[in-house]
Amino acid sequence: DQQVKQNSPSLSVQEGRISILNCDYTNSMFDYFLWYKKYPAEGPTFLISISSIKDKNEDGRFTVFLNKSAKHLSLHIVPSQPGDSAVYFCAARFNNAGNMLTFGGGTRLMVKP
Amino acid sequence: DTAVSQTPKYLVTQMGNDKSIKCEQNLGHDTMYWYKQDSKKFLKIMFSYNNKELIINETVPNRFSPKSPDKAHLNLHINSLELGDSAVYFCASSDLGGSAFFGQGTRLTVV
Repeated sequence: DQQVKQNSPSLSVQEGRISILNCDYTNSMFDYFLWYKKYPAEGPTFLISISSIKDKNEDGRFTVFLNKSAKHLSLHIVPSQPGDSAVYFCAARFNNAGNMLTFGGGTRLMVKP
Repeated sequence: DTAVSQTPKYLVTQMGNDKSIKCEQNLGHDTMYWYKQDSKKFLKIMFSYNNKELIINETVPNRFSPKSPDKAHLNLHINSLELGDSAVYFCASSDLGGSAFFGQGTRLTVV
């Protein structure tokens, strides 16, 4: 039973446009959410996070939005660049579980020049 | 000066063998982890370990065991390897409450 889901396995966007990656979760006990970016043959790299007490966190071109009532979060990348092409994983955790992360299945983002 | 490093990067071995994957972090983090990425690309937690507590994902077979000689190392031992153990294994570390930093992964192929 997947507690964190990314329903879009892939997304294609034109360079300069906005990329929106979505993530849904089922466990209301999650209190912290993260996005990771992964290139082939490399480990996931931390991108941005958000606490459950917030609804938005911004870092440069990356913004994460959290809608707790809908159990939904999204990652916005503006403007998208070809170097953003990678697999993006949404992850969630609750602090009484040793900070272990529960990951979604990933979304492959392709940014076309 | 890689933050989280694992060796080997690739490991091919026969069914029934026992193997180890090493992991080291130089970030001074308190907690280390092992994750498994299966053929469907899902990343799943296997273990979380600090000097006080080992948390095991209940779905992990007891053929898998983490061993930590010190705070900077968490090695993964696998006994009696099976075909289904073929996957990419990622080591990670974090401070309490911090985001996790991952190693580059070890691709294990059991033949």
